Amino acid sequence: DTEVTQTPKHLVMGMTNKKSLKCEQHMGHRAMYWYKQKAKKPPELMFVYSYEKLSINESVPSRFSPECPNSSLLNLHLHALQPEDSALYLCASSGEQGVGYFGPGTRLLVL
Amino acid sequence: AQSVTQLGSHVSVSEGALVLLRCNYSSSVPPYLFWYVQYPNQGLQLLLKYTSAATLVKGINGFEAEFKKSETSFHLTKPSAHMSDAAEYFCAVSDRSGGSNYKLTFGKGTLLTVNP
Repeated sequence: DTEVTQTPKHLVMGMTNKKSLKCEQHMGHRAMYWYKQKAKKPPELMFVYSYEKLSINESVPSRFSPECPNSSLLNLHLHALQPEDSALYLCASSGEQGVGYFGPGTRLLVL
Repeated sequence: AQSVTQLGSHVSVSEGALVLLRCNYSSSVPPYLFWYVQYPNQGLQLLLKYTSAATLVKGINGFEAEFKKSETSFHLTKPSAHMSDAAEYFCAVSDRSGGSNYKLTFGKGTLLTVNP
């Protein structure tokens, strides 16, 4: 099973809301990632977790807060977002040799 | 730092014609290279990968790619395009950051349109 699941599929939130994105994989991968993708652009790396510890933060604003409760789950907590944060948020996990398996994404709209 | 360059942001072919999407990489060490496809409003799906085994790599949906070290290229091909191949295609290189981390660096993408 090479599936990464993400919930919700769509999310609309106001600038004062708090929401969370969830990601799950059961491939035994020990690295999990959050990417942000704007329309007609490639995905941009936000965070990398390795063995449930944050190993890379690509200078992401603190209004995005990642969490890795266990080796299968990855969350992204959102607070006080801006309209320019509207994008497709992709979760991925990687096994050997850097093969990244991506989830379907959460399409976020910030009003 | 590793990088990839995709030549052509938009490629248009007729149904049944050859598909050729170009990707060149820059890497100081032997790279891991990938092609991903993204259909509208969906995530990225792995098409194929090169991980230093065979230089001609076969993937899903009839696609294949050839790793050419002398040309630093990893072009994606399909002999006969199908309407369902219309999508955005991303070439990516993997940079092992340490431990089990692999940082994927993507090209800017090539939009493939298939004309009936």
